Amino acid sequence: EPEVTQTPSHQVTQMGQEVILRCVPISNHLYFYWYRQILGQKVEFLVSFYNNEISEKSEIFDDQFSVERPDGSNFTLKIRSTKLEDSAMYFCASSDADETQYFGPGTRLLVL
Amino acid sequence: RKEVEQDPGPFNVPEGATVAFNCTYSNSASQSFFWYRQDCRKEPKLLMSVYSSGNEDGRFTAQLNRASQYISLLIRDSKLSDSATYLCVVSFNSGYSTLTFGKGTMLLVSP
Repeated sequence: EPEVTQTPSHQVTQMGQEVILRCVPISNHLYFYWYRQILGQKVEFLVSFYNNEISEKSEIFDDQFSVERPDGSNFTLKIRSTKLEDSAMYFCASSDADETQYFGPGTRLLVL
Repeated sequence: RKEVEQDPGPFNVPEGATVAFNCTYSNSASQSFFWYRQDCRKEPKLLMSVYSSGNEDGRFTAQLNRASQYISLLIRDSKLSDSATYLCVVSFNSGYSTLTFGKGTMLLVSP
């Protein structure tokens, strides 16, 4: 069964450093998403991406965040200068036209 | 503001019990409704979509009441493996859309 994959599974970084979280969506999907979940809290939408551009973004997705699809398979989330409050589980998801979103296993980011 | 509210639980039930979860959503323009399941420190996984006419998948039954902006999930004959957090999820657009999650209801099924 096709699945979304994410790397790394865990990332520890120092405050102020840049991190790049990587995702490989399901191969025939066209819509890509990033969500995050702070420990003990609900899953929150960050950004959606379609046709090589951002479709929608939340208020969380400020200028410190960016997304890119550098090739035909990867979808990345970059945080330019991490803050303590960026510590969370980051989930990538993808969907095709039928709207059902499939989530990757997540990257656990810890900012020290 | 787009909000999805759920009773956080936990619901502690014995194996074989029937348990029901409820969820309310704030935006009457909501288009699509889902129940996801999340195991501890894992990703959300789609359990079932929720349709206006109600739908059933084995031991699981979902209901939607658009007038009351209310969604429910019924689990019959609970199994130990049903222990998880159940997330009520709503999207506000048709086609591709962002998902708005409730905080989830934790279910613990004991032997």
